[in-house]
Amino acid sequence: SQKIEQNSEALNIQEGKTATLTCNYTNYSPAYLQWYRQDPGRGPVFLLLIRENEKEKRKERLKVTFDTTLKQSLFHITASQPADSATYLCAPGSRGGNTGKLIFGQGTTLQVKP
Amino acid sequence: EAQVTQNPRYLITVTGKKLTVTCSQNMNHEYMSWYRQDPGLGLRQIYYSMNVEVTDKGDVPEGYKVSRKEKRNFPLILESPSPNQTSLYFCASRGTGSHQPQHFGDGTRLSIL
Repeated sequence: SQKIEQNSEALNIQEGKTATLTCNYTNYSPAYLQWYRQDPGRGPVFLLLIRENEKEKRKERLKVTFDTTLKQSLFHITASQPADSATYLCAPGSRGGNTGKLIFGQGTTLQVKP
Repeated sequence: EAQVTQNPRYLITVTGKKLTVTCSQNMNHEYMSWYRQDPGLGLRQIYYSMNVEVTDKGDVPEGYKVSRKEKRNFPLILESPSPNQTSLYFCASRGTGSHQPQHFGDGTRLSIL
């Protein structure tokens, strides 16, 4: 069955460093991948979309890569700040026009210490 | 402001007492979906709707019902709740095209005793 794996252990880093979060998938060939941020007590908020024909996507301090050979996406936050502390979810999506489906990973919690 | 609104935000109830969680979106989205989020299991899709009067099962539909009589509303119904339905529930909507970002409500925490 399709499986999405994100680091279950929290990632603790110092302010100003780059945070790198990993998303691996198996038994799946997604057409795109989305990343979301979730704060405690809130719903997930969309951050970035990357398609299978794109190697890298950037938005301000965020960078996402998508390696369909390794079946992996990496999510980077550069110059991290305490306000970046949250849980980050990856969600690969299947083909199918309007009927394609997202499968969410469990999320990785990031703690940025001042 | 574009938003997805869920009610109630919190509910403690007892086994077997029917309940409805409402969801409304103001973005004119055709697609709406319900998820549950449990520790260690992530977000799992319960039901989704591609448009008014068009609904389909997600990955974990047992024990739930939905209806889509209007484009903006997509209520989740638990006819006979059981303790294993204790969870955090999210409603989401998106525009046309599966790659479109999903907009989530702030969640409903249900406790079934």
